[in-house]
Amino acid sequence: EAQVTQNPRYLITVTGKKLTVTCSQNMNHEYMSWYRQDPGLGLRQIYYSMNVEVTDKGDVPEGYKVSRKEKRNFPLILESPSPNQTSLYFCASSLFMGAEAFFGQGTRLTVV
Amino acid sequence: DAKTTQPNSMESNEEEPVHLPCNHSTISGTDYIHWYRQLPSQGPEYVIHGLTSNVNNRMASLAIAEDRKSSTLILHRATLRDAAVYYCILSNAGGTSYGKLTFGQGTILTVHP
Repeated sequence: EAQVTQNPRYLITVTGKKLTVTCSQNMNHEYMSWYRQDPGLGLRQIYYSMNVEVTDKGDVPEGYKVSRKEKRNFPLILESPSPNQTSLYFCASSLFMGAEAFFGQGTRLTVV
Repeated sequence: DAKTTQPNSMESNEEEPVHLPCNHSTISGTDYIHWYRQLPSQGPEYVIHGLTSNVNNRMASLAIAEDRKSSTLILHRATLRDAAVYYCILSNAGGTSYGKLTFGQGTILTVHP
């Protein structure tokens, strides 16, 4: 089954403790991206990747890092999480830029 | 980036057609019109997209005005499972931000049994 898988689905952590949210897709898609969703602000893009080793900032990249060493994986790294990064995070992939995007189920992160 | 305007909410009855409007008066010639929906507690889901001509797929139809300043997503027979937030999004094929989906507030669709 074609899918985008995020882990973990839920995470509560403390301020400053590094964490990684994994994202994996099994569709051989080139384009992957991360979004965060907050009440009243909708979904906003954090980072995106057009292909292996090619990443770029989205609208709200501060406090986040990403890497794209393999085509299927696009982890989101929070080096020093802060409470304002408490949010619902979605990973998405598409065959190429502008094609139909497939979203993961989301990761609900709480930073205390 | 060109913006879209959608009603905050709409209601429908089950098995009736639903027409979800979207205004995009500042659309450019290379802007594609995308529709996604988000069911409760799930990630967004692709519905349909188009450029100039009307489009149909198994989920819905997309009717695009001749001047492209508005479009309508048509669900031919609403089911309870169609209750979701529907997002109308423009994506510029000619721009460096092509592929980025800028989600607005969307339309909350309620379907009554």
